[in-house]
Amino acid sequence: NAGVTQTPKFQVLKTGQSMTLQCAQDMNHNSMYWYRQDPGMGLRLIYYSASEGTTDKGEVPNGYNVSRLNKREFSLRLESAAPSQTSVYFCASITIKKAFFGQGTRLTVV
Amino acid sequence: ELKVEQNPLFLSMQEGKNYTIYCNYSTTSDRLYWYRQDPGKSLESLFVLLSNGAVKQEGRLMASLDTKARLSTLHITAAVHDLSATYFCAVDRDDKIIFGKGTRLHILP
Repeated sequence: NAGVTQTPKFQVLKTGQSMTLQCAQDMNHNSMYWYRQDPGMGLRLIYYSASEGTTDKGEVPNGYNVSRLNKREFSLRLESAAPSQTSVYFCASITIKKAFFGQGTRLTVV
Repeated sequence: ELKVEQNPLFLSMQEGKNYTIYCNYSTTSDRLYWYRQDPGKSLESLFVLLSNGAVKQEGRLMASLDTKARLSTLHITAAVHDLSATYFCAVDRDDKIIFGKGTRLHILP
């Protein structure tokens, strides 16, 4: 989607490895989000940032950390990946008028 | 704690028929969103509903919001095959946006 860039698109990790998912938006939005999507579970909120310099836990924050580096960027870090973190991850930038989602990261932890 | 429930979770229907997807939520909210997702794709924003009684329409889709009942509906009129997708509602309270589990809509030609 225009405006939200999410990288990488695919990643395979071994159990215990770490990685950072990157997300950037160029629309000057305040609020950014990280979700994970698993079959039959919908999207579950991991962390969100309502403004630059603030972050809050969502529904499933365990095993993740985030960083709102500036207004543009909101990264998600897995410090020690586990097979239960195999999922599709979406970053979003959402305003009261519309939401913009990244293309998703398909992460497999083996 | 904000909880969002959608029903049905799966819907198979014939072209030309009308149907409604329901979205219930557990606490007061600031706004409600509807999204569409095609298989293997990202989410597309359909509607944002801001206040009680809000109604928005785009083509064969119409969304409404009743904040007193904590209920939103997505109505499909004269369904066509191209509307086959998964539809999600999401509720925003204090910038925390929680999704329902989605309704997988399959429209038979």
